[in-house]
This record gives sequence, structure tokens and C-alpha cells, in this order.
Amino acid sequence: ETGVTQSPTHLIKTRGQQVTLRCSSQSGHNTVSWYQQALGQGPQFIFQYYREEENGRGNFPPRFSGLQFPNYSSELNVNALELDDSALYLCASIPRGRDTEAFFGQGTRLTVV
Amino acid sequence: QQPVQSPQAVILREGEDAVINCSSSKALYSVHWYRQKHGEAPVFLMILLKGGEQKGHEKISASFNEKKQQSSLYLTASQLSYSGTYFCGTESNNAGNMLTFGGGTRLMVKP
Repeated sequence: ETGVTQSPTHLIKTRGQQVTLRCSSQSGHNTVSWYQQALGQGPQFIFQYYREEENGRGNFPPRFSGLQFPNYSSELNVNALELDDSALYLCASIPRGRDTEAFFGQGTRLTVV
Repeated sequence: QQPVQSPQAVILREGEDAVINCSSSKALYSVHWYRQKHGEAPVFLMILLKGGEQKGHEKISASFNEKKQQSSLYLTASQLSYSGTYFCGTESNNAGNMLTFGGGTRLMVKP
């Protein structure tokens, strides 16, 4: 186990709705990244938060947004859900410093119908 | 642009060796390797940095050819526990672990 927990584990939403996914980082990790993993594909980088500020963003539209809290836990919000948003959403907790391993949670499986 | 992994899938018998390749069209700062078992989180294997530094688990070996923008992961004397999907994640600059992952290589080790 990586000590990174995500909730909920599974979720079904209707197209057009909004969803919030949560990630609890490892203690002492001040950086969190979010990834989207479609079935049978590699994870795609959504964005990263460092000390409560967005630190970098991948090729995702603004309806994907996030928050990081003072305890370094994090949320991913997706508005106006589309069918193509169906995927496994992974958060990765990253220790202080560069060139380090990332500790992934088990993910939230989102299905949009 | 995402790196290209090869092969896409490989089946081994216990004790056999395998090589998984990762190739990028962009100059790379680092290559990160992860293994993901079905229904589980990706697990860190190794980081290879420009300049030759490596960080990772002792039983895993890998190479990074900076000039060719290629990395290879070497799995020797495979065990059943090696089964899973292997991903390489690349960074073109030292941005801080914002990875572009390849499509994965599915490895199955049979008894």
C-alpha cells in the first residue's frame, strides 16, 4: 500500500452533471498530481498542485479544476461531464524535492452515462 | 507527444528474461518506470535521469540513452509477481514529476 487514499472508489454520473473526487496524500508530501487513465491506456497528466497552487497543467479543458488544502489533501472537480470523461482517475502524492517517486492511489473509476 | 512503448504485450515462462523499450520524439530529462497490476495503483520501479543517475529498486535494471531519447527496462529471471502492465513516463524538463506516459506493455509470466 502507498498510503494514498482516494474516494469514492466507483462513481456513476449522468452526462452534464458535476463530480468531485478526493485524494488524501501521504504525510509530508506537499505535491499532488492528477491523472486520467482510459481503459487500456496509459495515465494522462491533468494537473499538479504544489502548496495549494496549481503548478502545471496538461492538455485538459478548464472544466477540469482542482484544489489542494493546507493538509495537502486534494480534490479534482469536473463540470459538464461528457461520456469521454469515463475513466480511472489517479492521484499521485509526491514527496518534497525533485526526481522522486510518486505514490499513486488506487483511483476512482468514473462512469458517465 | 506520448512516448512509444514496445512490445505492446509479452508472455514469458518463469525464469525467462524480457526487455521493454520506451522511445520519445522529444529530448528527455528523465524517464520513470511504473508497474500496474489489474485493479491496483501504479507502483514505482525506477527513475533514470539525464546525466546517468538512477534511483530505484535494486532488483530492477534499466538504461537511458539520452542521445536517442530511449530507455529500456530489463526484467531478468522473471517471477510470477512480475506480471502486470509496465508504463514509462517521461519528462522533457525538470518540471517536477509531471509525466507523459506511454501506452504500456502488458507482461504475463506463466509457471
